[in-house]
Amino acid sequence: GENVEQHPSTLSVQEGDSAVIKCTYSDSASNYFPWYKQELGKRPQLIIDIRSNVGEKKDQRIAVTLNKTAKHFSLHITETQPEDSAVYFCAASKGSGGSYIPTFGRGTSLIVHP
Amino acid sequence: EPEVTQTPSHQVTQMGQEVILRCVPISNHLYFYWYRQILGQKVEFLVSFYNNEISEKSEIFDDQFSVERPDGSNFTLKIRSTKLEDSAMYFCASSNAVAGPSTDTQYFGPGTRLTVL
Repeated sequence: GENVEQHPSTLSVQEGDSAVIKCTYSDSASNYFPWYKQELGKRPQLIIDIRSNVGEKKDQRIAVTLNKTAKHFSLHITETQPEDSAVYFCAASKGSGGSYIPTFGRGTSLIVHP
Repeated sequence: EPEVTQTPSHQVTQMGQEVILRCVPISNHLYFYWYRQILGQKVEFLVSFYNNEISEKSEIFDDQFSVERPDGSNFTLKIRSTKLEDSAMYFCASSNAVAGPSTDTQYFGPGTRLTVL
């Protein structure tokens, strides 16, 4: 089955700095890669996703890059703010349509110091 | 904006008891999922459900677990005889994937915290 590794487990930055979280996956058939943000005690919320036919996607301060050859993808947050503090999970999945099953990474706890 | 809802928010039960966790997916969604998250760990897939039957399930989803869509709006997860290790946050999610690949985003509910004593 799919195996997703996520690093670092904890990331501490100063407000305004950039943050980068990296994930690798094992199944070359995976073709959909969502990123979720989970604040303490709350539900995971999708913040950005990328499909295997795209190398990069950006949404305001958040961007995701995908390297299919190397089987890794990264989340980039620029100009971090204290409200970005949360646990971020990457996931890898395959198939199109509803039966795709994401395999999650172990999460990165991002702490943004004001 | 429509959201997935779950009840109860917290369920405390004795080991060996049956529990039913309830979810109301987003109304036009057709795929439904259950996940669990043990405290401090990653989210783990349990089961997916489409067209009134299980689409896929993980090794975690053994004979103690079952899912049902008893009516047009609810989606339930039943654990027949709870064990201590079933203590976790259980998330329901739904998606509207049949509308095309760009709509297979899964939206999570707020979760039910299950505590087995």
